[in-house]
Amino acid sequence: KAGVTQTPRYLIKTRGQQVTLSCSPISGHRSVSWYQQTPGQGLQFLFEYFSETQRNKGNFPGRFSGRQFSNSRSEMNVSTLELGDSALYLCASSGGYRGHSPLHFGNGTRLTVT
Amino acid sequence: AQKVTQAQTEISVVEKEDVTLDCVYETRDTTYYLFWYKQPPSGELVFLIRRNSFDEQNEISGRYSWNFQKSTSSFNFTITASQVVDSAVYFCALSDYNNNDMRFGAGTRLTVKP
Repeated sequence: KAGVTQTPRYLIKTRGQQVTLSCSPISGHRSVSWYQQTPGQGLQFLFEYFSETQRNKGNFPGRFSGRQFSNSRSEMNVSTLELGDSALYLCASSGGYRGHSPLHFGNGTRLTVT
Repeated sequence: AQKVTQAQTEISVVEKEDVTLDCVYETRDTTYYLFWYKQPPSGELVFLIRRNSFDEQNEISGRYSWNFQKSTSSFNFTITASQVVDSAVYFCALSDYNNNDMRFGAGTRLTVKP
């Protein structure tokens, strides 16, 4: 099975712009979660989608949004970018929607905001 | 609220030494799941192990072993006879039964020197 695929791998944006990141989960996985990883804050949960519905949301401002399509692929959008949004954004998919299911992560998208 | 603490920020050992990575967690749930992930320099988090709150049996997988103790809310990870390829950041994580919003510790960077 192919793993979780995230595109693009690297992005450089300017403050005030918006960005869309894409994630294709493992085939058959219907749960997709997004995490932000920074040296200062570590791994922080952004949100989780299951069957096109957002089930859980972390403590991030409304500039961070996401969606999931009927084929389970997910996109994450960040509007009005700030310097502090520079981070590695990780997507993970899971075979179940309960907490016992391990998350399988992609390689991430490294976003740099200048 | 759920919380995971990995007090060791960085550990450096020489190849063939044994090393233990500590993980302490907090939760009010009676059913929960604990995980360990490895993040090599490539960035992708790799799932290593899952433990549920009702199973305190220790587990060994090759050079890896895990010690789960509910009495001290700890889930420690030991690498026996460490190798250079074990160099990575290791994360401990916690999730409850109902949700996939897995919470991660800050991570421990392990460096194994030849």
